[in-house]
Amino acid sequence: EAGVTQSPTHLIKTRGQQATLRCSPISGHTSVYWYQQALGLGLQFLLWYDEGEERNRGNFPPRFSGRQFPNYSSELNVNALELEDSALYLCASSVGQWGQETQYFGPGTRLLVL
Amino acid sequence: AQKVTQAQTEISVVEKEDVTLDCVYETRDTTYYLFWYKQPPSGELVFLIRRNSFDEQNEISGRYSWNFQKSTSSFNFTITASQVVDSAVYFCALSEANAGGTSYGKLTFGQGTILTVHP
Repeated sequence: EAGVTQSPTHLIKTRGQQATLRCSPISGHTSVYWYQQALGLGLQFLLWYDEGEERNRGNFPPRFSGRQFPNYSSELNVNALELEDSALYLCASSVGQWGQETQYFGPGTRLLVL
Repeated sequence: AQKVTQAQTEISVVEKEDVTLDCVYETRDTTYYLFWYKQPPSGELVFLIRRNSFDEQNEISGRYSWNFQKSTSSFNFTITASQVVDSAVYFCALSEANAGGTSYGKLTFGQGTILTVHP
């Protein structure tokens, strides 16, 4: 069974640009979660999507947004990039919509903002 | 507010030694879920175990074992006879839920413990 996939693996942008990160969940999973892992800040919850709806959001500014498509894949958009947005962005998926199911993570996208 | 503390930033052991990674959590909810994940240098978080707040049974899986004690709000992880392949960053995480068991989808992670196993 294929795991969670993310693209691209690496992304280099300059300050002020927009970045789009993509995630495909495990087959049969309807929930997708996004986390940011920045140096010195640990793993921080960003967003939770289920059945196309945003279910919960972490403490991040509105320039971090996303969506979930009918096939349950998801996109994370980061507008007006800042240097501190440089991080590993991890996507996870789970079955069900109650939020307590085990989250399985993808390999991540490493975003570097210059 | 929920919080997870992994007091050990780095642990270094020699192969075949046993090692315990500590995890202490804080939550006001009576229903919650605890997890351990492993992050090898590749970056992907690998799921190891999940525990519900109402299940305090300890668990053993091969060389791995977990000790969950609600009285001390701890969920410690022991690797027996460590191997070089165990070298990674290990994260403990907490997911809170309401009285009905519905979670908020958010995992709160500890800062991680870097484990290095030397040959």
